[in-house]
Amino acid sequence: NAGVTQTPKFRVLKTGQSMTLLCAQDMNHEYMYWYRQDPGMGLRLIHYSVGEGTTAKGEVPDGYNVSRLKKQNFLLGLESAAPSQTSVYFCASLIQSPGELFFGEGSRLTVL
Amino acid sequence: QKEVEQDPGPLSVPEGAIVSLNCTYSNSAFQYFMWYRQYSRKGPELLMYTYSSGNKEDGRFTAQVDKSSKYISLFIRDSQPSDSATYLCAMSPYSSASKIIFGSGTRLSIRP
Repeated sequence: NAGVTQTPKFRVLKTGQSMTLLCAQDMNHEYMYWYRQDPGMGLRLIHYSVGEGTTAKGEVPDGYNVSRLKKQNFLLGLESAAPSQTSVYFCASLIQSPGELFFGEGSRLTVL
Repeated sequence: QKEVEQDPGPLSVPEGAIVSLNCTYSNSAFQYFMWYRQYSRKGPELLMYTYSSGNKEDGRFTAQVDKSSKYISLFIRDSQPSDSATYLCAMSPYSSASKIIFGSGTRLSIRP
């Protein structure tokens, strides 16, 4: 049982480049989330989805876009990367609220 | 002011000590309280959760919620080196899938 899988695990980008982070979950969870984790800032919610075809903004959505075309996948896109987006990104899923968030192992992104 | 405040530490204690980790919050709507443990370079994992006020015990771990003071605690008894990790508190209004707020995390180190 893989749980929540994130790809890629590491990526280095130059300012202005674009990229997509992929999150896949095999637990049939309705809710999916993208967080970023920075030193001293904890986990901050970027975007989330309450079901296939739906997305909503979280606390820090600027500079990111998301899509949930299939229930098991949640994509996070950076259209024009900036050094301020250097962070560790975590995807999580939830079967129902309240409940346990299941996290992936993280994607470490560096923007030069 | 952040909705959830957590001392970042680091906290270093000898093996066998009792550890107390704490968070304060400002939103009186929070009713579901969680503690996540995060090992280095891994995603957070749920350790314990509680509803509303009171205590909950699970082995060496006790979670305590004081809603009147807007204060939650996690106690670890007989601490082990394997408990060395970052501990994040998290909380949400009951059944709100979109508003799960995390503290910044406390880094804990247990010295053998």
